[in-house]
Amino acid sequence: RKEVEQDPGPFNVPEGATVAFNCTYSNSASQSFFWYRQDCRKEPKLLMSVYSSGNEDGRFTAQLNRASQYISLLIRDSKLSDSATYLCVVNEAGNNRKLIWGLGTSLAVNP
Amino acid sequence: DAGVTQSPTHLIKTRGQQVTLRCSPKSGHDTVSWYQQALGQGPQFIFQYYEEEERQRGNFPDRFSGHQFPNYSSELNVNALLLGDSALYLCASSLLAGGKETQYFGPGTRLLVL
Repeated sequence: RKEVEQDPGPFNVPEGATVAFNCTYSNSASQSFFWYRQDCRKEPKLLMSVYSSGNEDGRFTAQLNRASQYISLLIRDSKLSDSATYLCVVNEAGNNRKLIWGLGTSLAVNP
Repeated sequence: DAGVTQSPTHLIKTRGQQVTLRCSPKSGHDTVSWYQQALGQGPQFIFQYYEEEERQRGNFPDRFSGHQFPNYSSELNVNALLLGDSALYLCASSLLAGGKETQYFGPGTRLLVL
């Protein structure tokens, strides 16, 4: 099993749709979780850190389920500008300073 | 406040050559991590520098080496380039504070090995 797994997509959704991505991680001892967004041929940009209680930032909601070892990202009222690849990031177990990255989930929001 | 900067933005080399990539961290950050991202893949961790020493290393051969300077800037060196080294090389800077750390990325250097 890969350390961090994501559905690569692509997810094609119309504007205004709600879309959810899941990411599973293999090591239960991981402590830090992030979602990054990466536009084509650009660097990853931090979207959200994921806290154990779940957190929301505008149209974006991130949740952590430690028992099932997955994190999720929900995007409501999707915009054309949300089209990007969304990368799930988890720290290596026992090593908070080393991050393991998923392959990313591709989202295309269509007019 | 300048973010993370990297140079050069693009580079073309031939097999067997050597390359040096440079990174300046975000102001106030003391840690630099380097990643390799091939097309369609997530970033792969190469190594991390803190206090001018390599502190963490990913699964990359010794051809990949680095350095951190007293001003926290960093270099990534790759010797004996292979075609498979063609990728986007990303530098991320961070600061560990209160047990929390977030990495911020530079725009990357796109390396093509012919």
